[in-house]
Amino acid sequence: EIVLTQSPGTLSLSPGERATLSCRASQSVSSSYLAWYQQKPGQAPRLLIYGASSRATGIPDRFSGSGSGTDFTLTISRLEPEDFAVYYCQQYGSSPPGLTFGGGTKVEIK
Amino acid sequence: QLQLQESGPGLVKPSETLSLTCTVSGGSISSSSYYWGWIRQPPGKGLEWIGSIYYSGSTYYNPSLKSRVTISVDTSKNQFSLKLSSVTAADTAVYYCARHSPIGGLDVWGKGTTVTVSS
Repeated sequence: EIVLTQSPGTLSLSPGERATLSCRASQSVSSSYLAWYQQKPGQAPRLLIYGASSRATGIPDRFSGSGSGTDFTLTISRLEPEDFAVYYCQQYGSSPPGLTFGGGTKVEIK
Repeated sequence: QLQLQESGPGLVKPSETLSLTCTVSGGSISSSSYYWGWIRQPPGKGLEWIGSIYYSGSTYYNPSLKSRVTISVDTSKNQFSLKLSSVTAADTAVYYCARHSPIGGLDVWGKGTTVTVSS
């Protein structure tokens, strides 16, 4: 079973700053099967990135995803007030089939 | 526009079975491109995938919950359901249903329903 470890646990930044979030897998993950989500308090998660680097419908281009193998990154180029939230990475494994989430990174206002 | 809506009891007694239904509207659950899944989130914690089902009825479950989970689909009602047996306080969580594909991620989510396990 693949384990996803996200770091840091909390990121304290100011609006306008760049945020870099890490997701490390315990074994190699197909880039096609790596996604990122944003969750705000009291809301369901929202898909941001799929296939490691493709933005979901309606997602602003300040959000970008990159990486391959065991190391993946979500970058928010310039933080807007609405971007302060918790972010999760997620992978789909085919053998055995299943979904795994990382523990999350909270991006908070400094 | 595809929408998912969870429904079911908000309170379940310990050792009983939690039962939830997800109703899909604005699209067909019989789409060949997608799976339909359940995810939960205990208070103040992260997301945990419970299991998923294809419209044909094929299922796959989180190994840590597999012995207690059953997911089924009713294509005539455009619904899929979750049953989690022998619940304890550790099963208290917000339960979400969602559509997903291996490549496309979980792209449509329900709003979630809170289930509390307590006597």
